[in-house]
Amino acid sequence: DTEVTQTPKHLVMGMTNKKSLKCEQHMGHRAMYWYKQKAKKPPELMFVYSYEKLSINESVPSRFSPECPNSSLLNLHLHALQPEDSALYLCASSQEGRLAGAYNEQFFGPGTRLTVL
Amino acid sequence: RKEVEQDPGPFNVPEGATVAFNCTYSNSASQSFFWYRQDCRKEPKLLMSVYSSGNEDGRFTAQLNRASQYISLLIRDSKLSDSATYLCVVEGSSNTGKLIFGQGTTLQVKP
Repeated sequence: DTEVTQTPKHLVMGMTNKKSLKCEQHMGHRAMYWYKQKAKKPPELMFVYSYEKLSINESVPSRFSPECPNSSLLNLHLHALQPEDSALYLCASSQEGRLAGAYNEQFFGPGTRLTVL
Repeated sequence: RKEVEQDPGPFNVPEGATVAFNCTYSNSASQSFFWYRQDCRKEPKLLMSVYSSGNEDGRFTAQLNRASQYISLLIRDSKLSDSATYLCVVEGSSNTGKLIFGQGTTLQVKP
């Protein structure tokens, strides 16, 4: 199984709503990532979890709150978002985030397309 | 200077053509290098990892020149299905898993 799954595929929410994005992988990967991608731009890293611990937060606003309940699951909790937060949110996983000398290929899920009204 | 630079294209080529994409990166301590392919409104998919010795996978050949901080991707015998955006991706030096993406090069293969 080389698949990363994400739910929901599409999400429309108001600025006062609270919602969550979910990501799951069963490849035994110990590093998981959240990216944000705007149209015609490359993905931008938001968060990295390594062994279920947050290792990188790319100065993401606190209205985005990540959570890693276990090694297979990654959530992104959303609250009080702005219309400019509308984007494709991608989850990725890799075998190991800190193994020196290794190529840690990241595998992406299909993404959640988020629209904030 | 951007950390990873690519020619955005678009590259419009006929079927069967050979096309080459180039990419430069600024951090000489970068450790890992990749080409990803992204179709419109889809997620990036890993096309190839790029090793110092160069590597080939069917019609695709990737090369890395650490001295010049340059990565290339060659596609031979282009197919219509090769039409996509190709992302040059570099991992930072600290093995954190942080990937730096180029802006992407758009390829359109025409019949």
